Amino acid sequence: DAGITQSPRHKVTETGTPVTLRCHQTENHRYMYWYRQDPGHGLRLIHYSYGVKDTDKGEVSDGYSVSRSKTEDFLLTLESATSSQTSVYFCAIRQPSGNTIYFGEGSWLTVV
Amino acid sequence: ILNVEQSPQSLHVQEGDSTNFTCSFPSSNFYALHWYRWETAKSPEALFVMTLNGDEKKKGRISATLNTKEGYSYLYIKGSQPEDSATYLCAFNVDSNYQLIWGAGTKLIIKP
Repeated sequence: DAGITQSPRHKVTETGTPVTLRCHQTENHRYMYWYRQDPGHGLRLIHYSYGVKDTDKGEVSDGYSVSRSKTEDFLLTLESATSSQTSVYFCAIRQPSGNTIYFGEGSWLTVV
Repeated sequence: ILNVEQSPQSLHVQEGDSTNFTCSFPSSNFYALHWYRWETAKSPEALFVMTLNGDEKKKGRISATLNTKEGYSYLYIKGSQPEDSATYLCAFNVDSNYQLIWGAGTKLIIKP
């Protein structure tokens, strides 16, 4: 158990509304990630963070923003949700030793 | 462009049979190869991290091999059980700070 919780776990929202997903970790890991997972694709990195207020874009960052004001929380915001952002969103952390990434349980987002 | 390919995309296996599937990755600038197991509605679970050519790892009935010179890894499951049904994801990175590049996964379905 890597102490990662995501909220909400499930959400249905309307096109054009803003949505924020929260990732909370309890073990002070420096690296945190947001991925999306869609059928036929691997996990695709949206944004990641390497410390408080230090974030960078991943391969599919358009339409998303992130914030990390404290070590334990990494927020993913969809500024104006679109149907193409319907997906499963996974938060992850990387332990300092080795490269293993541990995932949260996912947030299922449906944009209608 | 770094790309990871997994084959087959999906696989139906009779309970009790053994099976294997492949992850192909660029053989240059290799750092580590990861295997994860992902069950629907759960978070991806780390199985193995391999770094050396010829590495073999084993966890119960699941094992993996690595060939970094030709750029492939095999995942083997011996005596498949219904609980092995899942999507198996592989990912690789080119150095310790480089983001993981993910394959699209092999979806394994065990038929009782």
